[in-house]
Amino acid sequence: KAGVTQTPRYLIKTRGQQVTLSCSPISGHRSVSWYQQTPGQGLQFLFEYFSETQRNKGNFPGRFSGRQFSNSRSEMNVSTLELGDSALYLCASSFGGTGNLAGIYEQYFGPGTRLTVT
Amino acid sequence: AQSVAQPEDQVNVAEGNPLTVKCTYSVSGNPYLFWYVQYPNRGLQFLLKYITGDNLVKGSYGFEAEFNKSQTSFHLKKPSALVSDSALYFCAVRDGDTNAGKSTFGDGTTLTVKP
Repeated sequence: KAGVTQTPRYLIKTRGQQVTLSCSPISGHRSVSWYQQTPGQGLQFLFEYFSETQRNKGNFPGRFSGRQFSNSRSEMNVSTLELGDSALYLCASSFGGTGNLAGIYEQYFGPGTRLTVT
Repeated sequence: AQSVAQPEDQVNVAEGNPLTVKCTYSVSGNPYLFWYVQYPNRGLQFLLKYITGDNLVKGSYGFEAEFNKSQTSFHLKKPSALVSDSALYFCAVRDGDTNAGKSTFGDGTTLTVKP
């Protein structure tokens, strides 16, 4: 199976701009989660999508948004970029599930998109 | 709210010695616990998980972890460390009863195995 792919791998943007990151999960996986990784804050959960619906959300401002398409591919958008948004953005897919099965599956991570805001 | 603590930023061991990377957690419901490893210039990889059942779980590359409910811990162990085990290790928790799709990660522990 192909792994999780993320595009682009590297991105340089200016403060105030917006950016869209893309994630293609492993085939058959319905859950996609996004994380922000920084040296100071570690891995911070942004949101999780399952079957095109946002199921969980972390503590990030509304400038951070996402969506999931019917083929489970996901995009993450950050508007009005700030210097502090510079980070590695990781996408993770899992088989997913509902009810008692919602959280039992491990995640498979993509290589990340390195975003630099200047 | 759920949280994970990895009390050691760095763990150093000699090759061939046993290693332990510590993790404690806090959730209000049933804990689902995971360990992931991040090698230099490579993505995060799943090592092992505890969902239910036997408290001792075995995973990839000879790693194992023991779930201890009374101490709310899930320490990662390996009987004999290899230099190639040197990497950044993350513990993660989900609340199996609510918002189970949300994972909270610890800050990570850098393991260095010296020859």
